[in-house]
Amino acid sequence: AQSVTQLDSHVSVSEGTPVLLRCNYSSSYSPSLFWYVQHPNKGLQLLLKYTSAATLVKGINGFEAEFKKSETSFHLTKPSAHMSDAAEYFCVVSWNFNKFYFGSGTKLNVKP
Amino acid sequence: DGGITQSPKYLFRKEGQNVTLSCEQNLNHDAMYWYRQDPGQGLRLIYYSQIVNDFQKGDIAEGYSVSREKKESFPLTVTSAQKNPTAFYLCATQRDTDTQYFGPGTRLTVL
Repeated sequence: AQSVTQLDSHVSVSEGTPVLLRCNYSSSYSPSLFWYVQHPNKGLQLLLKYTSAATLVKGINGFEAEFKKSETSFHLTKPSAHMSDAAEYFCVVSWNFNKFYFGSGTKLNVKP
Repeated sequence: DGGITQSPKYLFRKEGQNVTLSCEQNLNHDAMYWYRQDPGQGLRLIYYSQIVNDFQKGDIAEGYSVSREKKESFPLTVTSAQKNPTAFYLCATQRDTDTQYFGPGTRLTVL
C-alpha cells in the first residue's frame, strides 16, 4: 500500500538555526511530491513541489527540499529558522495526480 | 488560499442536525475535493469531483453527501449519520494533473 511517513511529529529549533523536517514515502515508483505549511485554523499553503525536474527544489520563504529516489525521501530544510516559521508542515505524495497521500504532519516550534 | 472561499469559518451543530459547508472557487479548476482534518491524523479524503455533475467517494464518505451542479461550487453536507463530525474541514481544487490548492477551512463543532 502506498503511504507517506513524516518521521517526527514535533520538531523544536532555536531561531536562526537550521530546520530539517523528514519525509519518506512507500514506493520507489517516481511520484510527485509536495510540502505544505499550515498555520493554526488556516488552510494549507503550498511551499514547494517536485514533479520530475531538478532533484533539489526551492520553495517560498527560504525552504527547499531534495528528492532522493534511492532513499525514497523528500526532506524539507531551511538554513535559518524564523519565528514566523512556527506552524505545521505536511508532506504530500501523489503517484498519478488522482489521489494525494498526506503525511500526519510535523509541528515546528521555533524558540527565541 | 486565494480564489477558494469556504463558509462559514466556524459552524456549530446540534446533535441530529444536518449542516452544509460551502466551497466556492474562481480559479476555473475542474477538480474539487473535501478533506477532514483531525489532530495528529493529517488529512483524510471525504469526496472528490473531477467534473460537473460527477463525484466519487473518498476514504471516509459515510455520513457525508455532496453535489457538483456548477464548476465553481462543491458544497458538503454533514448528515446526522456522521457520528463524530467535530473536525476541521478543508476544500481543495486542482487544475488538470497538477497541484492541489486549499481553501481556508471550516471548523465544525457538535454541541
